[in-house]
Order: sequence, then structure tokens, then C-alpha cells
Amino acid sequence: GENVEQHPSTLSVQEGDSAVIKCTYSDSASNYFPWYKQELGKRPQLIIDIRSNVGEKKDQRIAVTLNKTAKHFSLHITETQPEDSAVYFCAASPSNFGNEKLTFGTGTRLTIIP
Amino acid sequence: DADVTQTPRNRITKTGKRIMLECSQTKGHDRMYWYRQDPGLGLRLIYYSFDVKDINKGEISDGYSVSRQAQAKFSLSLESAIPNQTALYFCATRGQGNTGELFFGEGSRLTVL
Repeated sequence: GENVEQHPSTLSVQEGDSAVIKCTYSDSASNYFPWYKQELGKRPQLIIDIRSNVGEKKDQRIAVTLNKTAKHFSLHITETQPEDSAVYFCAASPSNFGNEKLTFGTGTRLTIIP
Repeated sequence: DADVTQTPRNRITKTGKRIMLECSQTKGHDRMYWYRQDPGLGLRLIYYSFDVKDINKGEISDGYSVSRQAQAKFSLSLESAIPNQTALYFCATRGQGNTGELFFGEGSRLTVL
């Protein structure tokens, strides 16, 4: 089955700096890659996703890049703010809809230092 | 606001007890899921259901069972709880169409002593 590795497990950055979280996956059939943000004590929420037919997607200060050849994808957060502090999960799925096969990474705890 | 609601939010129980976690949603979604979250392990799928008559095992279904009582209700049961089932449990839903977004409930924290 799919294996998703996520690094780093913890990340601290100064407010205003950029943060990058990286994930690798094993199943070449995976073609849907979402990112979820979980604030302390809250539920995970989708912040951005990308499908295999594009290499990059941006939404304001966040962007995701995908390298299908190397089987890795990354989350980039620019101009970080205190509200970006949270745990971030990457995930991979072999179909656009098949969340039943959605495999999550182990999470990255991002701390923004004021 | 359409939402996904879980009860109870917190529960402490003893080894061997039967526990039921309930999930209801007002989003009108067909697909419902139960995930387990453990520190350092991410979110792992326990069971999922595409409609009332459809139940499927996920990655870690051993020791768990589910019931889809209605389109809006999906419950998770631990027939005989054990300490390593101590975790945070999330229910999630997803609608039809070309979107993969999962909508999670607020979570149920279960402690088995």
C-alpha cells in the first residue's frame, strides 16, 4: 500500500519568514495530494490540494509543489504569521475521489516565533 | 451552519468495557469515515461508508465495528476496549462530485484505563 513520509516533524520559524514542509510517497498511482491544517485542540481542515496534472498551486501565502517523477510534494508558507502555528498533515491518494485510500503523513508541528 | 457533530467529546473508560462513539452530520453527504489520530502517527482510517448499505474496512479495523443507521449517522463501537485504543477519534464526511475535501468533526478523545 501507499506510504507517505513527512519531514520535518517539528519546525520553528521567525514570524515573517517562510516555512517548507516536505512529503514523499511510494505509490506511483497516487494522483491527489491534499494538505490539512490542525490548530491546537481543533479539527483538521483542508487548506490546499493538488492533482497530478499540475506541478504547482498557489492560494495567497500558501503554495504546494508536486514532482511526480521524484514522488514528492511540498507545502510552502510565505510571510508566516502567528496564526500559521498548527500541525500540518500531507496525504496522498491513488484517485481523485478515493479518500478511502487517502494515506496521511505523520504531521509537522509548525511554530511561528513572534 | 452544516456541520459534523461527534458525541461524546471526551470519555474515560476501563479495559473490557463496550464503548460507542457517535457521529451525525447535517451536510447531506453520502460518504462518512472514522479516523484515529495518535501522536506521531497521523490520521489512520478505521472504517468508511458510502451509503447506509455500504460498510468498508479501513487500514486499522481490528477491534472496531461500525453502524450506519441513516445517511446522517455513523457510529463507531469498541466491543471490548483495551488501553492501546486510547486515542483521538475523528468522524469525517465527503460529498459527491469532483472534490476530495474531507470535513471532520471536532473529535472524541477516548482514554482506556
